[in-house]
Amino acid sequence: DTGVSQNPRHKITKRGQNVTFRCDPISEHNRLYWYRQTLGQGPEFLTYFQNEAQLEKSRLLSDRFSAERPKGSFSTLEIQRTEQGDSAMYLCASSLRTLSSEQFFGPGTRLTVL
Amino acid sequence: AQKVTQAQTEISVVEKEDVTLDCVYETRDTTYYLFWYKQPPSGELVFLIRRNSFDEQNEISGRYSWNFQKSTSSFNFTITASQVVDSAVYFCALVYGDDKIIFGKGTRLHILP
Repeated sequence: DTGVSQNPRHKITKRGQNVTFRCDPISEHNRLYWYRQTLGQGPEFLTYFQNEAQLEKSRLLSDRFSAERPKGSFSTLEIQRTEQGDSAMYLCASSLRTLSSEQFFGPGTRLTVL
Repeated sequence: AQKVTQAQTEISVVEKEDVTLDCVYETRDTTYYLFWYKQPPSGELVFLIRRNSFDEQNEISGRYSWNFQKSTSSFNFTITASQVVDSAVYFCALVYGDDKIIFGKGTRLHILP
């Protein structure tokens, strides 16, 4: 399978715990994006990487959120001290070039914070 | 401010009917890109089409067609002879400025057999 993969697919956690999600993009794609999607809404941009460099962060990304892409390959998104409002689907996408090109999305990680 | 409006929250049609999904956008940028993505029940968004702001040609791909009109800031999507497999949530998205993106809230399409 050469598509974008995300792990885990589902995560249930208690408020205050830390969680980490992983995204493996399509191998030749140098751009990697993270989005958050809540019920009945479209994806909201969180951050993106060009290779290993994090180039843009949305105001939605509070200090409790951190993302990395070591060596420009897979990426991780960590949420510290989770809150119930963090419950959402977290989507990862990759592309060959900028946002103006087609993005390939992964299946998402659904986070439920109890 | 940039905005994408998909006024139709949910649409239901009977199989084989034609259906049009509306997308209205707002931007002050002269260079921008518009996209449609499909999100089936499995959850993965799938790219359907991209249009840049300088290309107002309509496009047809099989049963799908897109009508881009800058005069009304609209980028509408029509499915002809709909099929049950077309049931999904469809998102319109705008890429503008220094590589920024905003999605509409989506239209949930039900194709009834």
